Amino acid sequence: GQNIDQPTEMTATEGAIVQINCTYQTSGFNGLFWYQQHAGEAPTFLSYNVLDGLEEKGRFSSFLSRSKGYSYLLLKELQMKDSASYLCAVLNAGNNRKLIWGLGTSLGVNP
Amino acid sequence: DGGITQSPKYLFRKEGQNVTLSCEQNLNHDAMYWYRQDPGQGLRLIYYSQIVNDFQKGDIAEGYSVSREKKESFPLTVTSAQKNPTAFYLCATKGQDRSQPQHFGDGTRLSIL
Repeated sequence: GQNIDQPTEMTATEGAIVQINCTYQTSGFNGLFWYQQHAGEAPTFLSYNVLDGLEEKGRFSSFLSRSKGYSYLLLKELQMKDSASYLCAVLNAGNNRKLIWGLGTSLGVNP
Repeated sequence: DGGITQSPKYLFRKEGQNVTLSCEQNLNHDAMYWYRQDPGQGLRLIYYSQIVNDFQKGDIAEGYSVSREKKESFPLTVTSAQKNPTAFYLCATKGQDRSQPQHFGDGTRLSIL
């Protein structure tokens, strides 16, 4: 079957670094997306990985290991506004434009 | 996302009533999607369309219907057969290349009266 696992909740302190993990089992792989979703709002795109390694975008970085079926989102210099849900989604090879979504990780940032 | 307009923002449904949620895009994307999100839950795919005049059921299509008569528009009807329609409904579009993300509208929140 196809499955994406993320921790349900995490908390961290303002200014710290937090790593949100995502493991996946899918039939084929065409890339992995990370989205941020604030409460009551739509998800917004953060990053895309299709090759192994680390992609850095400002305070946010995303890592992928295809052989391990594993990705993480790294958030540095945490700010209160980073309190949100972080969604991991995989584009499988069978249908190029349909995503398989994880349930999301709710991150709380404390002062 | 400025290129995708969902309306209305809030919608109330009476017992036995069908309601239609609008989704319009000006991003020139072929693929469009409807998701449902319940409190504290992930996104569940209702229907999707990869081209005009064609659409496929997602994981939870029962009680919903769609049409795709124009590239810009993908309305979702929540029928009276959907017994638990209270949720946050999100419309998304995606460009051709695999690296392009899905872009989301602001969503419609549907409640039962």
